[in-house]
Amino acid sequence: GAVVSQHPSWVICKSGTSVKIECRSLDFQATTMFWYRQFPKQSLMLMATSNEGSKATYEQGVEKDKFLINHASLTLSTLTVTSAHPEDSSFYICSARDWGTAASGAYNEQFFGPGTRLTVL
Amino acid sequence: AQSVTQLDSQVPVFEEAPVELRCNYSSSVSVYLFWYVQYPNQGLQLLLKYLSGSTLVKGINGFEAEFNKSQTSFHLRKPSVHISDTAEYFCAVSDGGTGGFKTIFGAGTRLFVKA
Repeated sequence: GAVVSQHPSWVICKSGTSVKIECRSLDFQATTMFWYRQFPKQSLMLMATSNEGSKATYEQGVEKDKFLINHASLTLSTLTVTSAHPEDSSFYICSARDWGTAASGAYNEQFFGPGTRLTVL
Repeated sequence: AQSVTQLDSQVPVFEEAPVELRCNYSSSVSVYLFWYVQYPNQGLQLLLKYLSGSTLVKGINGFEAEFNKSQTSFHLRKPSVHISDTAEYFCAVSDGGTGGFKTIFGAGTRLFVKA
């Protein structure tokens, strides 16, 4: 099956610093990737939709200047948390949509990365 | 706008007993429905999905779900659970393209299987 990786798997940083998280589709091309955040014991909340070669679309309430998303290639999207603060500590999960398997029925399936645990001190 | 409601935040059950995790959705357009499982500190694994066709969907690990359009439900079932099924389960709905293929997740149901 399609594989999505995230790097790093966990990161600890000081308040005020910026952190970049990478999301890669390893064996397929992903024109669309999604970024979610998940607080402990809560559900996944969609932050933004990342489209290759264009600006990301952010969900209401998500600060686009704080959470910078870049989708420069068909296999890589990055999320940069700028000037991180303790309230940004969370589990960040990306997903990628595989458009290349429409005939097989996986047309609308997203493949999720393993997540990145961010802790801001 | 779409929404997903998982009616039970926690479901304790004894090993080898049957279980049903409930999910209701609302949407004004045709939707695709999914169940995912999440183990601690891990990403999501797809259990099963409904795109079209037969309303009874079989997935991995012995799980199945039934799409009921009139009741706008997509409940997940397993006839006999194992200790290893203890995890968080998320029901999700996708708009199929009319809203950019966004997927909305329910709040999750914690399945706790007891020996």
